[in-house]
Amino acid sequence: DGGITQSPKYLFRKEGQNVTLSCEQNLNHDAMYWYRQDPGQGLRLIYYSQIVNDFQKGDIAEGYSVSREKKESFPLTVTSAQKNPTAFYLCASSIVGRLNTEAFFGQGTRLTVV
Amino acid sequence: DQQVKQNSPSLSVQEGRISILNCDYTNSMFDYFLWYKKYPAEGPTFLISISSIKDKNEDGRFTVFLNKSAKHLSLHIVPSQPGDSAVYFCAASAWGGSARQLTFGSGTQLTVLP
Repeated sequence: DGGITQSPKYLFRKEGQNVTLSCEQNLNHDAMYWYRQDPGQGLRLIYYSQIVNDFQKGDIAEGYSVSREKKESFPLTVTSAQKNPTAFYLCASSIVGRLNTEAFFGQGTRLTVV
Repeated sequence: DQQVKQNSPSLSVQEGRISILNCDYTNSMFDYFLWYKKYPAEGPTFLISISSIKDKNEDGRFTVFLNKSAKHLSLHIVPSQPGDSAVYFCAASAWGGSARQLTFGSGTQLTVLP
């Protein structure tokens, strides 16, 4: 079955620690995205990547880093510089360039800083 | 400044009645609009979309209407069912630099009462 897999589903982190969220897709999509969801807010774009070894900052990239070494994988690192990291993180992928294309989402990772 | 706004955080509707979810946008560069449905602790799933060259798109119980002059779109669900209870996100798509980007509204929690 094709889809996007995020792991882990729940993650706890101590303050001051970096943590990496995994996102893998087997849809053969070129574009991958990371969003963050906070209560009462929409999905805000953190980073996106259209092609391997290339990525761009979204609206709220500060305190986050990404890599795109493989087409299938787009891990997100939440660094200690992120001031309010507790949130629900969603990874998505889509076909590049087509107008009528939707993004497919993973199940999400809930990160809690303790 | 939110480019996509869903001004109603919640909506309750009786089973069998019509649910109308509204969305306003400010960026005239948006040329494709989507609705996503999201259950708690899951990723959003694509529901229905509409291109800016159309004013209506229908898929079963779901119809999306677009009023470009008012920069407004709405999602109609008829008849509403208890399984439709979820958060509905409106999203708008436009080219942003080198990639097509999705901008999400803050969501509307729909509750369909049996």
